[in-house]
Amino acid sequence: DQQVKQNSPSLSVQEGRISILNCDYTNSMFDYFLWYKKYPAEGPTFLISISSIKDKNEDGRFTVFLNKSAKHLSLHIVPSQPGDSAVYFCAATRGSSNTGKLIFGQGTTLQVKP
Amino acid sequence: DAGITQSPRHKVTETGTPVTLRCHQTENHRYMYWYRQDPGHGLRLIHYSYGVKDTDKGEVSDGYSVSRSKTEDFLLTLESATSSQTSVYFCAISEEGQYTEAFFGQGTRLTVV
Repeated sequence: DQQVKQNSPSLSVQEGRISILNCDYTNSMFDYFLWYKKYPAEGPTFLISISSIKDKNEDGRFTVFLNKSAKHLSLHIVPSQPGDSAVYFCAATRGSSNTGKLIFGQGTTLQVKP
Repeated sequence: DAGITQSPRHKVTETGTPVTLRCHQTENHRYMYWYRQDPGHGLRLIHYSYGVKDTDKGEVSDGYSVSRSKTEDFLLTLESATSSQTSVYFCAISEEGQYTEAFFGQGTRLTVV
C-alpha cells in the first residue's frame, strides 16, 4: 500500500514557465513533508519542507503548498530553468523525532526545455 | 554538502556471496539510515540507527543486517546476496530534533549477478 504517491512519472515544461509537481498521501499521522531533488548518479538533495501547521512555504523560486483536508501537496517552481531538470521526490514523516525515517513517493522526472 | 561518504561506490558481486556497504559521516548526527532505490518505488527504508548499537528495521529489511559500533559508521550487510538486491543504496543522516531534514550520501550501485 503506497502511502505517498506521485501520480505523474514525468513532466515537461518550457524554460521560464511554472512547473507544478504533485504528491498525495494517505496516512493522517504524517505531519512533515519534504521535497528532494535528484540528479543521475548523485544522492537526493533536500529542497524544501513544510510542516502541517502551515499551508505554504517559500524558498526563492520554490514554493510548497499543503492541503491537509485533501492530503495533497504540490511543489511550484517559478520560473523553471534547464538546471531544474531532475527527478523530484516528495517524502513524508512524523516530524516529532527521527525525521529521516521517510516514506517516499515514486518520483517525477522534470524536464525543462530551453 | 553534508559529510557523508559511502563505499564502495560501485560493486558487482555473485549470488550467494556476502556484501558489506559502509557509510561514514563527519557530522556527528545521531540518526543514520539505509535506503534502496528501485524504479517505480522511489526510496525505501531498509534499516536505521538511533545511536551506537541501537538499530531497528525499516520497510524492506529482509535479507539485510546492520551494525553501528561508532557514531560515525553505519554498515549494511547482505548476508547472502540475491539478484533482487541489485539496486542503488543510499545512506542518510539526520540530527536530533523536530522537523529537521535528512541528508543523503552519493549512493552505492550494487549489481548481483
